[in-house]
Amino acid sequence: DQQVKQNSPSLSVQEGRISILNCDYTNSMFDYFLWYKKYPAEGPTFLISISSIKDKNEDGRFTVFLNKSAKHLSLHIVPSQPGDSAVYFCAASRQTGANNLFFGTGTRLTVIP
Amino acid sequence: DVKVTQSSRYLVKRTGEKVFLECVQDMDHENMFWYRQDPGLGLRLIYFSYDVKMKEKGDIPEGYSVSREKKERFSLILESASTNQTSMYLCASSTGSQPQHFGDGTRLSIL
Repeated sequence: DQQVKQNSPSLSVQEGRISILNCDYTNSMFDYFLWYKKYPAEGPTFLISISSIKDKNEDGRFTVFLNKSAKHLSLHIVPSQPGDSAVYFCAASRQTGANNLFFGTGTRLTVIP
Repeated sequence: DVKVTQSSRYLVKRTGEKVFLECVQDMDHENMFWYRQDPGLGLRLIYFSYDVKMKEKGDIPEGYSVSREKKERFSLILESASTNQTSMYLCASSTGSQPQHFGDGTRLSIL
C-alpha cells in the first residue's frame, strides 16, 4: 500500500521555465515532508523539507508547498536548469526527524536546454 | 560533509548464498538505515538502527537481517539470497532530526 504517491513518472520542461513536481499522501498522521534528488549512479541527496505547521518553504530556486487538507505537496523549481535533470523523490514521516520515512515512486525531470 | 560509503557498487551472487552488504558513515550519526529501490516502487525501508546493537524492522524485513557492532558501520545480510532480492540497495545515516544522508548504492544481482 503506497502511502506516498507521485503519479507522474516523468516531466519535461524547457530551460528557464518552471518545473512543478507533485506528491500526494494518504496518511493524515504524516507531518514532515522532504524532497530528495537523485542522479544516476548516485544516492539521493536531500533538497528541501517542510513541516506541517507551514504551508510553504523556500530555498533559492526551490519552493515546496503543502496543502494539508488536500494531502498534497508540490515542489516548484524556478527557473529550471539542465543540471536539475534528475529523479525527484517525495518522502513523508510521522514526526520531524522520525526514522521511518515513506518514499514516493519518483518523478524523472528532464530540463531541455 | 557527510560521507556514507557502501563497500561495493556492483555485486553478483548466486541463489542460496549468504550475502553481506556493508555501509560505513564518518559523521558519528546514531541512526543508520537500509533501503531497497525498485522501479515503480520507490525506496522501501528494510531495517534501521538508532544505536549500536539496536535494530528495528522497516517495511520489508523478510529475508534480511542486519548487524550494528560499531556506531559507524551497518551491515545488511541476505541469509539465503533469492532472485527477488535483485535490486539497488541504499544505505543512509542521520542524527537527531536532520535529514538522512545516502550512500551511492549497491546494485545487487542474484542469479
